[in-house]
Amino acid sequence: GQQLNQSPQSMFIQEGEDVSMNCTSSSIFNTWLWYKQDPGEGPVLLIALYKAGELTSNGRLTAQFGITRKDSFLNISASIPSDVGIYFCAGQIHNAGNNRKLIWGLGTSLAVNP
Amino acid sequence: DTEVTQTPKHLVMGMTNKKSLKCEQHMGHRAMYWYKQKAKKPPELMFVYSYEKLSINESVPSRFSPECPNSSLLNLHLHALQPEDSALYLCASSQEASYQPQHFGDGTRLSIL
Repeated sequence: GQQLNQSPQSMFIQEGEDVSMNCTSSSIFNTWLWYKQDPGEGPVLLIALYKAGELTSNGRLTAQFGITRKDSFLNISASIPSDVGIYFCAGQIHNAGNNRKLIWGLGTSLAVNP
Repeated sequence: DTEVTQTPKHLVMGMTNKKSLKCEQHMGHRAMYWYKQKAKKPPELMFVYSYEKLSINESVPSRFSPECPNSSLLNLHLHALQPEDSALYLCASSQEASYQPQHFGDGTRLSIL
């Protein structure tokens, strides 16, 4: 099925460093979502974006909806050990038919060295 | 804590068993979803219910049978599963408007012997 190009695939950083990850697509999306998944748990919604150019923050997290509507990035500032996990982007197209279906990136696995 | 509750958390079953996975939400959401997730992969959509009616079936084998008894509950009935069906099964819900984000439960870890 269709997937988003998410990069990097994995990151290993030192505590306190900033992190940046992004998702790109050849398709235009109406909604971009960023989720984090810890081992043994379900994905938790971090940030939802609905407008091209929108920049939204949630604590140390900041995400932007690209102007072209084909990409989005997520930044984490001053990383801490509990930021460890897999981060997924997901996009949604608002059209008739299958518009509840999320298109997912393959995830960015983040490891933080204390 | 997640507002979507799934039970059981873990399930081990043989290929001839019949079991059910349960999901409950009390957020007033009218859309509910079943996903299958393999390790280190994104969730794969299986079924979508909207106002208790099945609206999307992603060509899922008939050994998986969903049921939505009311707006708060979603079940997934399992019968004659295969070893490759071992995975994390996630339930999610969202407000009715299709662009509202989905909120996930913590899943049921299913192992088929």
